[in-house]
Amino acid sequence: EDQVTQSPEALRLQEGESSSLNCSYTVSGLRGLFWYRQDPGKGPEFLFTLYSAGEEKEKERLKATLTKKESFLHITAPKPEDSATYLCAVQAGNYQLIWGAGTKLIIKP
Amino acid sequence: KAGVTQTPRYLIKTRGQQVTLSCSPISGHRSVSWYQQTPGQGLQFLFEYFSETQRNKGNFPGRFSGRQFSNSRSEMNVSTLELGDSALYLCASSLAPGVGSYEQYFGPGTRLTVT
Repeated sequence: EDQVTQSPEALRLQEGESSSLNCSYTVSGLRGLFWYRQDPGKGPEFLFTLYSAGEEKEKERLKATLTKKESFLHITAPKPEDSATYLCAVQAGNYQLIWGAGTKLIIKP
Repeated sequence: KAGVTQTPRYLIKTRGQQVTLSCSPISGHRSVSWYQQTPGQGLQFLFEYFSETQRNKGNFPGRFSGRQFSNSRSEMNVSTLELGDSALYLCASSLAPGVGSYEQYFGPGTRLTVT
């Protein structure tokens, strides 16, 4: 069964304290893995697409990496404005998207 | 380039009523997906439309339905509303299935409250 699991469910960090969020997946025929950021009461905002193992993408303080079984979203020296829920989604071979439950990130000043 | 727009943004309905939500995708995007998001269940896929045809459907009862028009705009309808239908309903647009990158871009959502 296709499945996407994100961990941890919630993460509290001090401003400047770097860390990583995990997205592990089991799907048939990975077509792509997507990271989104969602602020409360708003629609998810697209961040990255990763297509194959070894691929990396960066945007400001965020860096996403992909292996054959999981993806990491590394956050370097985070600021309070990075606080949000980060969602991971995987596109299976049949083009259907499978979503993780998300990681709620809280950055304290 | 204008983003995905959803109307209305907020809606309060009574149990048993029906509701129609609207979504206009990004210009040039032909695929529209609908999601229900609640605090307890996260993001739940409702259905996806492409070229006015439903391509995929999530595990929701038949009270939830949708359609897509020739200009790619989409509507979803929920009949006989239940208290549990209270949620944020999100619409997402993308280029087309299997065409290049398949990122979905989300609208701001419609907050539905059923009393």
